[in-house]
Amino acid sequence: AQRVTQPEKLLSVFKGAPVELKCNYSYSGSPELFWYVQYSRQRLQLLLRHISRESIKGFTADLNKGETSFHLKKPFAQEEDSAMYYCALSGLSNTGKLIFGQGTTLQVKP
Amino acid sequence: NAGVTQTPKFRVLKTGQSMTLLCAQDMNHEYMYWYRQDPGMGLRLIHYSVGEGTTAKGEVPDGYNVSRLKKQNFLLGLESAAPSQTSVYFCASSYSPSTPNQGRGMNTEAFFGQGTRLTVV
Repeated sequence: AQRVTQPEKLLSVFKGAPVELKCNYSYSGSPELFWYVQYSRQRLQLLLRHISRESIKGFTADLNKGETSFHLKKPFAQEEDSAMYYCALSGLSNTGKLIFGQGTTLQVKP
Repeated sequence: NAGVTQTPKFRVLKTGQSMTLLCAQDMNHEYMYWYRQDPGMGLRLIHYSVGEGTTAKGEVPDGYNVSRLKKQNFLLGLESAAPSQTSVYFCASSYSPSTPNQGRGMNTEAFFGQGTRLTVV
């Protein structure tokens, strides 16, 4: 079964501390993995995707097929990073359907 | 530059009432989706469409119907609302993988609407 698991509902860190939001997935083929972010009172938007291997707003995520993980990392958290983060998986059906994790709220304290 | 627009933003329904949520996108996307967001469960796909005139069921389709009569619009209907349908509903759209000049993976970014908060009492 296809599944995305984000084990932490809430992650609270102080400004300047490193951040790692965990994401594990279950998928039999080669998935495409994404991180979406929802800032307060804003719509859900794409943060980054594994296929681009890019860094956005200081965040990076590496797809580890052996551990079936796609953890989101940032070396120094900023207060403006506070938001809800969703890990999502898209399979090979060419329909663009996304399977989302439960979401992790990141709270960056001053 | 509107992107994806959902109507209405808020609604309170009584059990058994019906309503239609409208999603409109101006990006000429082929694919459109309806998700519901519930605490602790993330977003779950209700129905989706890969083109005008076509729809398909997602993960949680029961109690909902959809129509895609025009490429830019995707309607979600609740025929007889139930309290279990209290949720935040998100519409999204994306390019299809066959869109010219879009590499595989680069065209599956989904663009979301601002959400509709529905309460069924």
